[in-house]
Amino acid sequence: EVQLVESGGGLVQPGRSLRLSCAASGFTFGDYAMHWVRQAPGKGLEWVSGVSWNSGNTGYADSVKGRFTISRDNAKNSLYLQMNSLRAEDTALYYCAKGDYRGSGGYADYWGQGTLVTVSS
Amino acid sequence: DIVMTQTPLSSPVTLGQPASISCRSSQSLVHRDGNTYLSWLQQRPGQPPRLLIYNIFNRFSGVPDRFSGSGAGTDFTLNISRVEAEDVGVYYCMQATQYPRTFGQGTKVEIK
Repeated sequence: EVQLVESGGGLVQPGRSLRLSCAASGFTFGDYAMHWVRQAPGKGLEWVSGVSWNSGNTGYADSVKGRFTISRDNAKNSLYLQMNSLRAEDTALYYCAKGDYRGSGGYADYWGQGTLVTVSS
Repeated sequence: DIVMTQTPLSSPVTLGQPASISCRSSQSLVHRDGNTYLSWLQQRPGQPPRLLIYNIFNRFSGVPDRFSGSGAGTDFTLNISRVEAEDVGVYYCMQATQYPRTFGQGTKVEIK
């Protein structure tokens, strides 16, 4: 059974940093692209970042480019999102999602339950 | 960035009746590899999103066959042949042809 468990969220002041983690199990993590998607309270889905299966391709939403960095550790079956210079508008539930086999994230087929990030002074 | 526009934004439907959601992209979603990376997701209240359809018309594992996808290029449609109570939620289209990936605004399906 595919499982994705996000962690690392919490309350953080504007301008500070936070690192999210996603622990994956139930599939061969190193063979799949991965995504981070967020959802602000009461709002729609916003794709944040993605990484191909071999880390050869990464992408970012314009709203986070230059501030957030996605990475993966295939040996640890883990996905990460380093978030710097956080702003109030980054407040959201952050989901980790599994992408396509040996691709760059053509779809997102399994999702975690999310970790909540609140940016406030 | 590719802009995804869904219509309608709200769709009250009668149980057992069909429903249809349109998604239009600002650019063609045909990738240089020949695939069209357009998917549909359902988000029930209080739940994470769930993949329904990928690459325009491929139904994901476990998805009932009352859900179907169609379209090409820039115009895509999700059809529900007979709406059931469990179909209530918000539906999103998503493009993954180009970075950054983008979602439509979401269409809320509710029962009349």
